[in-house]
Amino acid sequence: QVQLQQWGAGLLKPSETLSLTCAVYGGSLSGYYWSWIRQPPGKGLEWIGEIDHSGSTNYNPSLKSRVTISIDTSKNLFSLKLSSVTAADTAVYYCARASEAFDIWGQGTMVTVSS
Amino acid sequence: QSALTQPASVSGSPGQSITISCTGTSSDVGGYNYVSWYQQHPGNAPKLMIYDVSDRPSGVSNRFSGSKSGNTASLTISGLQAEDEADYYCSSYTSSSTLVFGSGTKVTVL
Repeated sequence: QVQLQQWGAGLLKPSETLSLTCAVYGGSLSGYYWSWIRQPPGKGLEWIGEIDHSGSTNYNPSLKSRVTISIDTSKNLFSLKLSSVTAADTAVYYCARASEAFDIWGQGTMVTVSS
Repeated sequence: QSALTQPASVSGSPGQSITISCTGTSSDVGGYNYVSWYQQHPGNAPKLMIYDVSDRPSGVSNRFSGSKSGNTASLTISGLQAEDEADYYCSSYTSSSTLVFGSGTKVTVL
């Protein structure tokens, strides 16, 4: 059974770069898109972007200038970097596998941006 | 990209049926049969309930069903149970090769 395990820094200062990693256990990266999704406290879900095993990416236009999603097929993991963070980037960040939909999710990482 | 429009809240009594709408445009919901629905209980990651408008993943109760008409997709929960009380989100593929979520609906079982 495929599982996603994510990790990364939970407290950042404004202007720093958010960095999260998601490892895929029990399955291959091939054949799927791998996504990052976030949820500010008390608010709804926001799609950040996705990457496939070849490195092809798609990003949310509202975040595109600050987002980089990368993949490491040798380690079976993918990563998110979000630059120049502000308090508005405070959220729970999820990694997820996308087949016809987001069928497998990571456990979520709370990231707080505060001076 | 703008979030898909969902009602903020829907409620029903146990055993009743409720329907949650998800309205987009011809560039997302209306243009593709790639609408999915997610259930989220407090403190948990979302769970996939419906994909490709009306398909159910293995293990999801057949009390959950999905449909689409024009630019509006719908999720129906029949035989409402206490455990169905949660937040529900729709999602759609878009003409820009991106994904967009709905604004979310809180379902309350009275």
